[in-house]
Amino acid sequence: DTAVSQTPKYLVTQMGNDKSIKCEQNLGHDTMYWYKQDSKKFLKIMFSYNNKELIINETVPNRFSPKSPDKAHLNLHINSLELGDSAVYFCASSRAETAHYEQYFGPGTRLTVT
Amino acid sequence: AQSVTQLDSQVPVFEEAPVELRCNYSSSVSVYLFWYVQYPNQGLQLLLKYLSGSTLVKGINGFEAEFNKSQTSFHLRKPSVHISDTAEYFCAVRSRGYQKVTFGIGTKLQVIP
Repeated sequence: DTAVSQTPKYLVTQMGNDKSIKCEQNLGHDTMYWYKQDSKKFLKIMFSYNNKELIINETVPNRFSPKSPDKAHLNLHINSLELGDSAVYFCASSRAETAHYEQYFGPGTRLTVT
Repeated sequence: AQSVTQLDSQVPVFEEAPVELRCNYSSSVSVYLFWYVQYPNQGLQLLLKYLSGSTLVKGINGFEAEFNKSQTSFHLRKPSVHISDTAEYFCAVRSRGYQKVTFGIGTKLQVIP
């Protein structure tokens, strides 16, 4: 009965490779997000989708491409991985445009680029 | 633009002592405010939120926070901490009519036995 799930939990790969992280939510939410948490625990929004439409696209290298096949899924594909991409990536979801606006987070994917 | 400042990066406190984690925000419009907790190797979990109404907000695990508009603060408090409260705590702000939530840099609460 996991609310927001991510796969894989750990990802170790070499520079230059392409990798994907998958996210699924079973909460019936309209909006999904990708966050990057660096080694100092700073949490930064990367992307947000509402009903499969991109609504937030922060200053992120275009090597990062989100894809939302449906409202319940938001995947993150990263091309040509670099050392600086090492971080924990969190997926989150929420109801869109409601006063009770809170985000539900997945467990995170720890990406290590060597 | 909106921003949030967590004034303490680490707060050590003895078990059963009270604790306050400080948070200040900045926004040109009215705001929604949140505190999230992150236990080691886990995702973030909502502790409490302020949307409107009463400025004293109670959350899970005995935590509460007070919204102070004049001081633009939303400090988190607990009267008596437990070892299990050891975690990273994040304050977050969302301005009314704005999609993005901005998180603070986090405060590591370390409860000492």
